Amino acid sequence: SAVISQKPSRDICQRGTSLTIQCQVDSQVTMMFWYRQQPGQSLTLIATANQGSEATYESGFVIDKFPISRPNLTFSTLTVSNMSPEDSSIYLCSVQGLSTDTQYFGPGTRLTVL
Amino acid sequence: EDQVTQSPEALRLQEGESSSLNCSYTVSGLRGLFWYRQDPGKGPEFLFTLYSAGEEKEKERLKATLTKKESFLHITAPKPEDSATYLCAVQPGGGNKLTFGTGTQLKVEL
Repeated sequence: SAVISQKPSRDICQRGTSLTIQCQVDSQVTMMFWYRQQPGQSLTLIATANQGSEATYESGFVIDKFPISRPNLTFSTLTVSNMSPEDSSIYLCSVQGLSTDTQYFGPGTRLTVL
Repeated sequence: EDQVTQSPEALRLQEGESSSLNCSYTVSGLRGLFWYRQDPGKGPEFLFTLYSAGEEKEKERLKATLTKKESFLHITAPKPEDSATYLCAVQPGGGNKLTFGTGTQLKVEL
């Protein structure tokens, strides 16, 4: 399976600011996704990061709040904009190859908003 | 809308005490059901994919089974290192989105 890294691993931010999270994969993958895991809750898909085009967002998530980039087949970023304490979560990227339906997850970014 | 319910929420076992975790699901045309293990502070680690009712997969002390409405993760003679949260997720036919349950937090004690 691919080796996935995320930066930063954790951060503490002030409300009203923005944070960009990076996801790097060691091999080219077809699909990249961003999930949120709020305390005590299940993982929820935010969006699918599309290479060379706009991300596809799930219901309840909007581009202005969670802008996503995917400039190539191995890298994506998720920005959490104008943060509030409710954005405190673990943010995870996952990848899926062309010949598989299995998603592999990165280590996650633990975000705390004060 | 796809839904996944896992039970129990938490389970405490003695080392060597076998048990099963349950994952009930509703999905529009199952493409796959996935089991992951998540340790504190880490991302989910892939364990199994099941595709059709009657399918079984094994890995060390773990065995996953699938019916048309639920999946079971059987843990045989668990060890303390099996302590983790076990997550179940479904993927609908024609899509890639995973819908997760809230997980079962397993604690195996000596």
